[in-house]
Amino acid sequence: DGGITQSPKYLFRKEGQNVTLSCEQNLNHDAMYWYRQDPGQGLRLIYYSQIVNDFQKGDIAEGYSVSREKKESFPLTVTSAQKNPTAFYLCASSQTDPGNTIYFGEGSWLTVV
Amino acid sequence: QKEVEQDPGPLSVPEGAIVSLNCTYSNSAFQYFMWYRQYSRKGPELLMYTYSSGNKEDGRFTAQVDKSSKYISLFIRDSQPSDSATYLCAMAKAAGNKLTFGGGTRVLVKP
Repeated sequence: DGGITQSPKYLFRKEGQNVTLSCEQNLNHDAMYWYRQDPGQGLRLIYYSQIVNDFQKGDIAEGYSVSREKKESFPLTVTSAQKNPTAFYLCASSQTDPGNTIYFGEGSWLTVV
Repeated sequence: QKEVEQDPGPLSVPEGAIVSLNCTYSNSAFQYFMWYRQYSRKGPELLMYTYSSGNKEDGRFTAQVDKSSKYISLFIRDSQPSDSATYLCAMAKAAGNKLTFGGGTRVLVKP
């Protein structure tokens, strides 16, 4: 089935540790995104990439890093510099034509203790 | 002030009623408007997609965009308990595909 796969679904980490969230898509989409959602809040853009080996910061990029070595993959690393990392993280993808719709994965819950 | 404002709710309605949701926005550059439905602990799923002003209907769902008022709406007819979810509006400018989201409205449809 075509879609966006995020892993792990749930992740617990100790404060000060880096953690990497995986996102893979088989939709042949050029663009990929990472959003963060806090309880009762909307989605905020962390990073996005419109082509392999290129990515741009979103609205809340501080404390996060990404890579885009393959079209299908866009992993997100939550570093120890992120002050409030506990959140629901959503990966998404789309074609790059203006106005093309964005499709989301099922999300990853990160809890830092 | 946020670029996109959306009442957080919760909005509680009896089964069969019409659910009316809306968002206001401040940036006139937004051209593409979307509504997503998000069940608890799940990723958002696209419900409706509209370009510029006008109405669009899909089954029980109707989306309206009024660019002159910077106001968009989603109506759900004959609401079902399975419609209980958080509804997120989102919009994008003409290029780039970066979506700006409202905070979401939680909807409860009671049997």
